[in-house]
Amino acid sequence: NAGVMQNPRHLVRRRGQEARLRCSPMKGHSHVYWYRQLPEEGLKFMVYLQKENIIDESGMPKERFSAEFPKEGPSILRIQQVVRGDSAAYFCASSPSGGAPVGLHFGNGTRLTVT
Amino acid sequence: TQLLEQSPQFLSIQEGENLTVYCNSSSVFSSLQWYRQEPGEGPVLLVTVVTGGEVKKLKRLTFQFGDARKDSSLHITAAQPGDTGLYLCAGAYTGTASKLTFGTGTRLQVTL
Repeated sequence: NAGVMQNPRHLVRRRGQEARLRCSPMKGHSHVYWYRQLPEEGLKFMVYLQKENIIDESGMPKERFSAEFPKEGPSILRIQQVVRGDSAAYFCASSPSGGAPVGLHFGNGTRLTVT
Repeated sequence: TQLLEQSPQFLSIQEGENLTVYCNSSSVFSSLQWYRQEPGEGPVLLVTVVTGGEVKKLKRLTFQFGDARKDSSLHITAAQPGDTGLYLCAGAYTGTASKLTFGTGTRLQVTL
């Protein structure tokens, strides 16, 4: 069974460009979560989505960041006009249902470097 | 802001030794999970605990959830080099069940 697939694994962008990060959840999982891991910091929740719906975006910066999980295709985390502070590892996770005590299955992340 | 503190931050031990990692919060968890993360990879779920006082064993790993559901511990018996990694606890607080708050992690190195 394929796990959570994220691509690209590494992404380099210049300041001001856009970054698009993709996440395909595990088969049968309809709940997707995005987390960000800054160097030497823990994972921080960004957004929780179900198909075509944003359920909780309380961890998402108000500007430049957006996320979607369309009916067909992967979930996309989009960062517009990237700045150096956006450099981080972005992890996607999925679960078969929402709410505790469900464990999350994580992908191997996209490492974004902004130059 | 809800904080979840892990201790120690770093731990370097020799093969065969025992160790305990702690995860503490001032708030009550509705559930708590432990993950292990290796360099360049995503976290991998080890266990979920839900009930206060609950103890779960996974081979040489023993997880305990505090009676008040504010803290947890991970004990490893007879550590092996394969146990090396970053151990993360993650709590779901009441009312925010789908949003995990992660601790900053304990980086464990087990040498021969």
